[in-house]
Amino acid sequence: GQQVQQSPSSLVLQEGENAELQCNFSSTATQLQWFYQSPGGSLVSLLSNPSGTKHTGRLTSTTVTKERRSSLHISSSQTTDSGTYLCAISSGGSNYKLTFGKGTLLTVTP
Amino acid sequence: GPKVLQIPSHQIIDMGQMVTLNCDPVSNHLYFYWYKQILGQQMEFLVNFYNGKVMEKSKLFKDQFSVERPDGSYFTLKIQPTALEDSAVYFCASSLVGGQAPLFGEGTRLSVL
Repeated sequence: GQQVQQSPSSLVLQEGENAELQCNFSSTATQLQWFYQSPGGSLVSLLSNPSGTKHTGRLTSTTVTKERRSSLHISSSQTTDSGTYLCAISSGGSNYKLTFGKGTLLTVTP
Repeated sequence: GPKVLQIPSHQIIDMGQMVTLNCDPVSNHLYFYWYKQILGQQMEFLVNFYNGKVMEKSKLFKDQFSVERPDGSYFTLKIQPTALEDSAVYFCASSLVGGQAPLFGEGTRLSVL
């Protein structure tokens, strides 16, 4: 089945530093989403980016479909960015079944 | 913006009892999903549902699990009977069309004692 590998598994930054998170996947993805999961567990969709580059606020995602990889760049990190960042892919079809990675745990210190 | 609401946010029950997790999807959405996340582990697909039917289910969707959306009301996940290994956070999601990124709810934490 599909596999999604995220790196690093954890990352500690000082406030103001930038973060670069990686996602590699084993099969062609027709959809790719980045999520933020808070320490309390709730899930928020950040970006849907199956190919190319997308920006929203301090977030930039770049997906190279042929190379089966995506990155999420967080600029000028803040303590409130702390949490787990999940990458998830779907290989198409109307069922849109997402396969998730294990996530990157980001800790931003003051 | 539109939201997927999950009720309750936390449910505690004794092993062997029945539990129903409720999801109030976005009003015009047609595709519905349940995902399961055991504490500290990966989020995993359980089932998706369209036009009153299960479209696809994973091996995690045991015989004790069932889903329905009677008369356009809540989309529910029922577990009967529950087992200790059912303790997890269950996330509901919905989308208007099948190929669209679904919107997720905040999850229901189920604790089976």
